[in-house]
Amino acid sequence: EPEVTQTPSHQVTQMGQEVILRCVPISNHLYFYWYRQILGQKVEFLVSFYNNEISEKSEIFDDQFSVERPDGSNFTLKIRSTKLEDSAMYFCASSAPGLAGDLEQFFGPGTRLTVL
Amino acid sequence: LAKTTQPISMDSYEGQEVNITCSHNNIATNDYITWYQQFPSQGPRFIIQGYKTKVTNEVASLFIPADRKSSTLSLPRVSLSDTAVYYCLVGDATDYKLSFGAGTTVTVRA
Repeated sequence: EPEVTQTPSHQVTQMGQEVILRCVPISNHLYFYWYRQILGQKVEFLVSFYNNEISEKSEIFDDQFSVERPDGSNFTLKIRSTKLEDSAMYFCASSAPGLAGDLEQFFGPGTRLTVL
Repeated sequence: LAKTTQPISMDSYEGQEVNITCSHNNIATNDYITWYQQFPSQGPRFIIQGYKTKVTNEVASLFIPADRKSSTLSLPRVSLSDTAVYYCLVGDATDYKLSFGAGTTVTVRA
């Protein structure tokens, strides 16, 4: 069964450093997303991406965040200057909405980001 | 987006049926009801989706009354491995982002 993969599984970085989180969505999917989950809190939407551009972003997704689909398979989330409060699990997801009302998204296993 | 309300936690035993009810009084005509499951340190996983009446798949059933102001996820004969957080989401399919609440933590005991 096809699945979304993410690398690395765990990233430790120093405050102020740049990090890039990588995702390989399911190959025939057209919509891509990033979510984050701070430990013990709910899953929060960050950004959605379609047709090589951001289709929607949340208030969390400020200027320090960016997304890119550099080739036909990878989807990346870059955090330019990490802060302590960026420590969280980051989930990539993809979807291929077909039937009306299809809200099924396929999530990856996540990257745990720890900012020291 | 329609707001949802669901119990914070539920306990059950192996082999029992678990029913989780979600309230969504402000659901809009175009909104669908979707349930996700999340195990610790894993990404959410789609369980089931419906618009009205009853939907059943190999994992669960979803019951939606005619007024659509609530829905009930039914997990038949749960096992220890069904211990997870279950999220009820309501949204318009043209707004592809998912808005998760706190979910219901279901604990299945032997």
